[in-house]
Amino acid sequence: DQQVKQNSPSLSVQEGRISILNCDYTNSMFDYFLWYKKYPAEGPTFLISISSIKDKNEDGRFTVFLNKSAKHLSLHIVPSQPGDSAVYFCAASESGNNNDMRFGAGTRLTVKP
Amino acid sequence: NAGVMQNPRHLVRRRGQEARLRCSPMKGHSHVYWYRQLPEEGLKFMVYLQKENIIDESGMPKERFSAEFPKEGPSILRIQQVVRGDSAAYFCASSPLPDRVQETQYFGPGTRLLVL
Repeated sequence: DQQVKQNSPSLSVQEGRISILNCDYTNSMFDYFLWYKKYPAEGPTFLISISSIKDKNEDGRFTVFLNKSAKHLSLHIVPSQPGDSAVYFCAASESGNNNDMRFGAGTRLTVKP
Repeated sequence: NAGVMQNPRHLVRRRGQEARLRCSPMKGHSHVYWYRQLPEEGLKFMVYLQKENIIDESGMPKERFSAEFPKEGPSILRIQQVVRGDSAAYFCASSPLPDRVQETQYFGPGTRLLVL
């Protein structure tokens, strides 16, 4: 069962504009959420995270928003840059432990110059 | 400071053969996680190991798959009698901390297994 869903397999935006990547989850016990970025032929790298006690976390151009009532989180990248072109994975954990992280299928972001 | 190393990067096997995937964690990391990514899907947790111990193998298929992390040397994910459905990207990650999910899990580049 897919507990973490990224319904958009791809997204294309113009350089300088905002990129919004969405993620939905079904398990209300999830309490820690992460976004990973993956370039071709490389492993995922951690980008930003948020715990369930917050509804927003910001790090430079990257902001993650959490809406617990809707079981929805989103990653905003502004302004988008061509180097942001990658696959973005949303992940969630119930216990806070590494071994129970659940990943979405990923969204491929393309930022056009 | 080398990151997580995985080899081979690509592996081709015929049905019925064995596949051995290796993972060397980052220096100082003693916790290793294996994930599998099937086409069009996200990463799925398979197994969590510490040196010489399997801590959680709840994501491992019950048959044909095994993993080890010996006192010396890399962690090995072994798939016996491979089938076409085993074709996937297998990622290894390591962390220095026992098990907290924060941003301390570092991924290797993955091994892409193709079963003919």
